[in-house]
Amino acid sequence: DIRMTQSPASLSASVGDRVTITCRASENIKTFLNWYQQKPGKAPKLLIYTTSTLQSGVPSRFSGGGSGTEFTLTISSLHPEDIATFYCQQSYISPWTFGQGTKVDI
Amino acid sequence: EVQLVESGGGIIETGGSLRLTCEVSGFIFSDYWMHWVRQSPGKGLEWISRINSDSRSIKYADSVKGRFTVSRDNDKNTLYLQMGSLRPDDTAIYYCVRERFSRSSLGDFDPWGQGTLVTVSS
Repeated sequence: DIRMTQSPASLSASVGDRVTITCRASENIKTFLNWYQQKPGKAPKLLIYTTSTLQSGVPSRFSGGGSGTEFTLTISSLHPEDIATFYCQQSYISPWTFGQGTKVDI
Repeated sequence: EVQLVESGGGIIETGGSLRLTCEVSGFIFSDYWMHWVRQSPGKGLEWISRINSDSRSIKYADSVKGRFTVSRDNDKNTLYLQMGSLRPDDTAIYYCVRERFSRSSLGDFDPWGQGTLVTVSS
């Protein structure tokens, strides 16, 4: 199975800060990488698919990049409503696997 | 509005069985491949099963293979997960999840149901 590793596990930032989360895959997954946002008590929500395409309705302050084994999720200017845990997930091959999550708070 | 509503969770003893149900609305269910994903404090998010539109192609994670069975009834707009030989490490919130795009399995999941909690007691 492909192992997905996120860093950091958690971070604390201020409103307006630029925040970057890294996700590494244990093997080349090309650009088959998705990001999810999970707010407390809620189900995960698809944020970005195939590395850099924003799901409909997602604010443009979110962006994704990378390819192969290293990927990033960036929030250009942190808003209070962005407080959540973010997960990466590879969709290159079954079984589809997730990172362990990065908790973002203020 | 697209909705996925899971039910059937609860507390069950080790070795027991449980059937989860996911009722969907707001989209043409028979056009979409569907998944079950679970979330536990210890293991995080774990994909466990996928079923294609006509139930002819099914996949399972190794952790549940032989114990869990996914099925669907397109006439009733309902997805099922029959869970057997349950173990304490099956304790998790179980989410019903749709493929983002119809008639394909791109492996990106949207939307998700609200989840149903399964607790397996030892």
